[in-house]
Amino acid sequence: EVQLVESGGGLVQPGGSLRLSCAASGFTFSDYGMNWVRQAPGKGLEWVSYISSSSTIYYADSVKGRFTISRDNARDSLYLQMNSLKAEDTAVYYCSRRFDYWGQGTLVTVSS
Amino acid sequence: EIVLTQSPGTLSLSPGERATLSCRASQSITSSQLAWYQQKPGQAPRLLIYGVSNRATVIPDRFSGTGSGTDFTLAISRLEPEDFAVYYCQQYGTSPYTFGQGTKLEI
Repeated sequence: EVQLVESGGGLVQPGGSLRLSCAASGFTFSDYGMNWVRQAPGKGLEWVSYISSSSTIYYADSVKGRFTISRDNARDSLYLQMNSLKAEDTAVYYCSRRFDYWGQGTLVTVSS
Repeated sequence: EIVLTQSPGTLSLSPGERATLSCRASQSITSSQLAWYQQKPGQAPRLLIYGVSNRATVIPDRFSGTGSGTDFTLAISRLEPEDFAVYYCQQYGTSPYTFGQGTKLEI
């Protein structure tokens, strides 16, 4: 069974940093591209970043230069390093395997 | 960036009726890479349709996707109580992988 479990969310002040993790199981992690998608409270879905199985990387313009996606195939894990956080980054962050399987999300709140 | 516009914003129907949801793209979608998702409150999105018309695993056949180019449709043939939710379309052919703003299907 495919499982994706996010962690690392929490409350952070504007300008601060946070690192999200996504632990994957039930499939060969190294074979799949992975995504981060976020959803602000009461709003729609926003794609954040993608990393391919060969580590080709894309970012949404809204996070480019502030967020860094990475993966550790030995640990079956996906990461999102978020720096210079803004209030508008407040959202539930989901990791997704090629958009077919999704985790339950981790809440990031950016507030003073 | 490809902008996806969904209509209507809210659709009010009853169980047993047919639902038709629309998704229009600002430019042609690459290689038919258009998906539909269902999301219920407090839950992660669930993939329904990928590649315009392919149902994802364990999705019932009352869900169907059609379309090409810039115009796409999700149809639900006979609404069940569990189908009332928010539906999103998404293109994943060209970065950034954009979502529509959603259609709320309500009773």
